[in-house]
Amino acid sequence: DGGITQSPKYLFRKEGQNVTLSCEQNLNHDAMYWYRQDPGQGLRLIYYSQIVNDFQKGDIAEGYSVSREKKESFPLTVTSAQKNPTAFYLCASSIGDRGNQPQHFGDGTRLSIL
Amino acid sequence: RKEVEQDPGPFNVPEGATVAFNCTYSNSASQSFFWYRQDCRKEPKLLMSVYSSGNEDGRFTAQLNRASQYISLLIRDSKLSDSATYLCVVSRSGGYNKLIFGAGTRLAVHP
Repeated sequence: DGGITQSPKYLFRKEGQNVTLSCEQNLNHDAMYWYRQDPGQGLRLIYYSQIVNDFQKGDIAEGYSVSREKKESFPLTVTSAQKNPTAFYLCASSIGDRGNQPQHFGDGTRLSIL
Repeated sequence: RKEVEQDPGPFNVPEGATVAFNCTYSNSASQSFFWYRQDCRKEPKLLMSVYSSGNEDGRFTAQLNRASQYISLLIRDSKLSDSATYLCVVSRSGGYNKLIFGAGTRLAVHP
């Protein structure tokens, strides 16, 4: 089945540790995105990538890093500089980067601090 | 002021009821509009796009009023399975496909 796969489903981070969240899609979509969702808030954009080997900061990029070495993969690293990492992280993709193309989501990773 | 505002609810309605959700957006340059559905602790899923002329998908009807910067979603004959949070989503024009998400309106349909 075509879709977006995120792993792990749950992740715990220790103080000072970097952790990496995986996102893989087999939809042949060019554009990929990372969001964070906190309780009672809308999703907020962390990073996005319109094409392989290119990515841009979103609204809340501080403390995060990404790479886009393959079309199918867009991993997100939560660094120790992100002081409040506890949240629900969602990866999305769309066919292209035009505004009328809806984004489709993976089933998310819940990150907590130990 | 938030770019996309929704009544957080919850809306508690009996099965079979008709319920309407409203959403306002602040950026008049917004080009595209969507409703997503999010079940508890799950990812958002696209429910429907919203077109200027209004559009319907089964029991769901979406309306857009660009002059008032207002979007609505009407659900007729509510089912228990409609219980979820409904996210109003607005896309900005130009540049990349940036979606702005409302915080969502929670719907609880009871027997």
